[in-house]
Amino acid sequence: DAKTTQPPSMDCAEGRAANLPCNHSTISGNEYVYWYRQIHSQGPQYIIHGLKNNETNEMASLIITEDRKSSTLILPHATLRDTAVYYCIVRVMGSTGNQFYFGTGTSLTVIP
Amino acid sequence: GAGVSQSPSNKVTEKGKDVELRCDPISGHTALYWYRQSLGQGLEFLIYFQGNSAPDKSGLPSDRFSAERTGGSVSTLTIQRTQQEDSAVYLCASSPQRAGGVYGYTFGSGTRLTVV
Repeated sequence: DAKTTQPPSMDCAEGRAANLPCNHSTISGNEYVYWYRQIHSQGPQYIIHGLKNNETNEMASLIITEDRKSSTLILPHATLRDTAVYYCIVRVMGSTGNQFYFGTGTSLTVIP
Repeated sequence: GAGVSQSPSNKVTEKGKDVELRCDPISGHTALYWYRQSLGQGLEFLIYFQGNSAPDKSGLPSDRFSAERTGGSVSTLTIQRTQQEDSAVYLCASSPQRAGGVYGYTFGSGTRLTVV
């Protein structure tokens, strides 16, 4: 049960902002939204996470709607090296841990 | 080490044979996770360790799959009597957090298993 919905693929022109949407309408009040990306043949790489406030780091920004039912990952100036599969994940909390359940993600292609 | 290390990076085995996949997490990381990624698919959760115990084995696809962790460090994922559908990339991740923490994972580069 991935608990998130993402478009399967997107294109973005190099140098432009890439905005990757994610729906998580069943998210609970104490569940975080995480974003990872996976470049071909590598393990997934952590990008950013948030609870309800917008977050920014050196890689990206995360915008979470007020009702927390959706979020958008923003790569402000996409480069060719940002071509990857981007996973939006809701962290399932429980007594047995905080396992991530990945969906199939969004395959982002940055076009020269 | 500096990152999560997995070995071997590639493994080709004959159907019916047993295989062992190894994961060395980042030193001090108490949580360790195994995932499987089949061709063109997302990541499938297999098992989670907190220390040496496995509170969540819910993702193991069959009783041919088992995993252990010793010394709160190295973990081994064992697949017995391998089948062709076991072919996938097996990814290990570790995290410093206890249950309920908010740290992300650091993934290894995976072991690509091919069953012929």
